[in-house]
Amino acid sequence: SQTIHQWPATLVQPVGSPLSLECTVEGTSNPNLYWYRQAAGRGLQLLFYSVGIGQISSEVPQNLSASRPQDRQFILSSKKLLLSDSGFYLCAWRPWGASPLHFGNGTRLTVT
Amino acid sequence: ELKVEQNPLFLSMQEGKNYTIYCNYSTTSDRLYWYRQDPGKSLESLFVLLSNGAVKQEGRLMASLDTKARLSTLHITAAVHDLSATYFCAAPNTGNQFYFGTGTSLTVIP
Repeated sequence: SQTIHQWPATLVQPVGSPLSLECTVEGTSNPNLYWYRQAAGRGLQLLFYSVGIGQISSEVPQNLSASRPQDRQFILSSKKLLLSDSGFYLCAWRPWGASPLHFGNGTRLTVT
Repeated sequence: ELKVEQNPLFLSMQEGKNYTIYCNYSTTSDRLYWYRQDPGKSLESLFVLLSNGAVKQEGRLMASLDTKARLSTLHITAAVHDLSATYFCAAPNTGNQFYFGTGTSLTVIP
């Protein structure tokens, strides 16, 4: 069966520090991969979307970037965090077709 | 960007009552998805609606889709406390980028 792993679960980082969040999917190949951010008490904002290795679509211009170095690995990065980057970051995957998104457990990031 | 709106944003209802959550989206989409999120947790898929007129039911929840009106509803029948959560609808664009509604925070009061 397919599983998605996302880590770390929680992270506290100072302003200006770098960020790297990792997401991996097991049990499938060539999945569509997504990064979302959820601010406290708010909806989900689509950050990045990928249909294959090295293919990244960015939804919102910001100081975040994403990479997909391997088929089932999706990484969210920042060189310098801002206070406004705090939030709940969710990675999701889906196969081709009409399947729903399947979410990881999320990373709760607090920038201090 | 596809816009997805939900209402109400907050819903407090007594156990045993019925209510409907509405989800409108801005451009043509032939699919609509509903998710549930418990406090501090990730999202869990509830329903996948794939065509106009589609209706899905699971326990006390029933979801429907009207693609012509760009409207989906999530109907709650005889609410129980375990249904307290935040409910999201999501619609994909032609590129399979999924856009989520603002969420409806449901509290069921004994």
